[in-house]
Amino acid sequence: GENVEQHPSTLSVQEGDSAVIKCTYSDSASNYFPWYKQELGKRPQLIIDIRSNVGEKKDQRIAVTLNKTAKHFSLHITETQPEDSAVYFCAAPTLGNEKLTFGTGTRLTIIP
Amino acid sequence: DTGVSQDPRHKITKRGQNVTFRCDPISEHNRLYWYRQTLGQGPEFLTYFQNEAQLEKSRLLSDRFSAERPKGSFSTLEIQRTEQGDSAMYLCASSPNRGGGYTFGSGTRLTVV
Repeated sequence: GENVEQHPSTLSVQEGDSAVIKCTYSDSASNYFPWYKQELGKRPQLIIDIRSNVGEKKDQRIAVTLNKTAKHFSLHITETQPEDSAVYFCAAPTLGNEKLTFGTGTRLTIIP
Repeated sequence: DTGVSQDPRHKITKRGQNVTFRCDPISEHNRLYWYRQTLGQGPEFLTYFQNEAQLEKSRLLSDRFSAERPKGSFSTLEIQRTEQGDSAMYLCASSPNRGGGYTFGSGTRLTVV
């Protein structure tokens, strides 16, 4: 099955600086890579995703990059703000894209 | 509300009791997933449905767990003879198609005492 590894497990960043979270996956057939943000006590929410036919996707301060050859993808948050503090999960599909396997999460803390 | 609904939000039960959770997905989504999340971990896959068909069950889902989606709409997850190790957040998600993003519900937090 799919093995998804996520680093770092915790990340503290000064407000206004950038944050980068990285994930690797094992199933070369995977072609869809979402990122979820989970605030304390709340549901995971999809913030951005990328399909394997592109190498980068941006949405305002958030971007995701994908390297299919190396089987890794990254979340980039620029100009971080206090409301970016949360746990972020990457995910990759398995079983012919039938279900998502999640990483172990990165707790991002933005220091004012 | 057009999101994914889960009920109850919280459940405290004594060890050995049975519990049942309900999930109402987004109406046009034919795929429904159950995940379990423990503190500090990512969601772990339990099972999923395409319409009313249950297509896969994780090895995490022991014989004490059963899930149904009888009419291809809402789903229930039942845990029989609960154990303390079952304490977790049980998340339901739905998706309109294969290989797409999920919309999660708010989850049911189960505490077994």
